[in-house]
Amino acid sequence: GPKVLQIPSHQIIDMGQMVTLNCDPVSNHLYFYWYKQILGQQMEFLVNFYNGKVMEKSKLFKDQFSVERPDGSYFTLKIQPTALEDSAVYFCASSFINTEVFFGKGTRLTVV
Amino acid sequence: GDSVTQTEGPVTVSESESLIINCTYSATSIAYPNLFWYVRYPGEGLQLLLKVITAGQKGSSRGFEATYNKETTSFHLQKASVQESDSAVYYCALAMTNSAGNKLTFGIGTRVLVRP
Repeated sequence: GPKVLQIPSHQIIDMGQMVTLNCDPVSNHLYFYWYKQILGQQMEFLVNFYNGKVMEKSKLFKDQFSVERPDGSYFTLKIQPTALEDSAVYFCASSFINTEVFFGKGTRLTVV
Repeated sequence: GDSVTQTEGPVTVSESESLIINCTYSATSIAYPNLFWYVRYPGEGLQLLLKVITAGQKGSSRGFEATYNKETTSFHLQKASVQESDSAVYYCALAMTNSAGNKLTFGIGTRVLVRP
């Protein structure tokens, strides 16, 4: 079936540095999402993105977070600067219009 | 806000036994949300198992069933006879679908271990 690819699967970053998480969504999808899961907790919605714009974001989507999909390529989540509490698994997802949401395997971010 | 509560794992069952994972929801942003079960098999990404968008209806897939009960706000997942390949983490979720897409609210996930 359709695949959402996330690279890399694990990233370690020093606190205060910038990190960009990359996602290659399903090719004809129009909606893009990021979710965050802290170890032992629920997967939580961060943001969704459509037609080049953030449509909705949660309170977890701090000012240090930004998303973009330049030229229809990778959908990225940038955190600048990173904080210890940003350590989590970040899941990218995509969907067409009101259809099934497909998820990637996640990128584990460790901030040290 | 919206929330989903499901059976805490791990749940261990023997092959050919029945399985039920309880799920209840609270939806404040929408009266009748869409309800989902997602599954993550070992080494794989999260994938949709089944969904129901109409209260009172039942969804089924791969031998699993779940009925959307708006009176009890529940969406329990059941399978009459599990196989070792059903070992996975199961997530109950609800969604509000609007022009901004599908925003999913997940439960914490239930790890199921099926003994051969």
